[in-house]
Amino acid sequence: KQEVTQIPAALSVPEGENLVLNCSFTDSAIYNLQWFRQDPGKGLTSLLLIQSSQREQTSGRLNASLDKSSGRSTLYIAASQPGDSATYLCAVRAGANNLFFGTGTRLTVIP
Amino acid sequence: GAVVSQHPSWVICKSGTSVKIECRSLDFQATTMFWYRQFPKQSLMLMATSNEGSKATYEQGVEKDKFLINHASLTLSTLTVTSAHPEDSSFYICSAPAGGLTDTQYFGPGTRLTVL
Repeated sequence: KQEVTQIPAALSVPEGENLVLNCSFTDSAIYNLQWFRQDPGKGLTSLLLIQSSQREQTSGRLNASLDKSSGRSTLYIAASQPGDSATYLCAVRAGANNLFFGTGTRLTVIP
Repeated sequence: GAVVSQHPSWVICKSGTSVKIECRSLDFQATTMFWYRQFPKQSLMLMATSNEGSKATYEQGVEKDKFLINHASLTLSTLTVTSAHPEDSSFYICSAPAGGLTDTQYFGPGTRLTVL
C-alpha cells in the first residue's frame, strides 16, 4: 500500500527566507504528484501538479520537483511571505483516481 | 480552474440524527467523486469513491450503511451520515477529477460536522 510521508511536520521561518518542504512515497508506480495548500478549517487549494514523466513544475515563487525512482518530491518556496503560512500537503495518484495524502507540513512565516 | 462546492459549510446536530452533505462540480461533469474525512491535525483519509450511475465503493473500515453515498447526477454527489454520533465529528471534504488519471483533482471547501 502506498504511504506518503512529509518532513518536517512543522516549520517556522522569518519572512523573506527560501524554504524546502519534503515529501516521500513508498511506491514509485504513480501517475502524478500534487502539492496542495490548506488554510485552517478550509478545503484544499491545488498548487502544482507534476506528471510522472516530468521532473519539475514552477508557478510563481513555487517550484516542485519529482524524483520518481527514489520516491521523493520537494516543494521550494522562494522569498517566503506571511501569507504563505498554511499547511502544505502532497498527494500521489496511484491509479483508480484516488489520492494518497501525506501527513502535511504546517508552515509559519514570521513577519 | 474547475470549481467544486460543498453545502453546508458547517453543521451541528444532535446525536442520533442524520446529516446530508452535498458536493457539486460547478463547471464540469464528474462521473467520479471522492469523499474524504480529516480529523484535527491529521491528513485526509479517503472514505469512499462515488460513481455516477452505480454503487459507491468504500474503503476498508468505512461502514457503507452509516455513510450513504448517492451520485445523483454528473454534477452532484451526496454523503449522508446516518444516526450520527460524536465520534463522527470531523471535517468532510469531497473532490472530483477534472479529467482522467493525469489531471488535477479539485477539492470542495469542506464541511465541518459537529455531533453533540
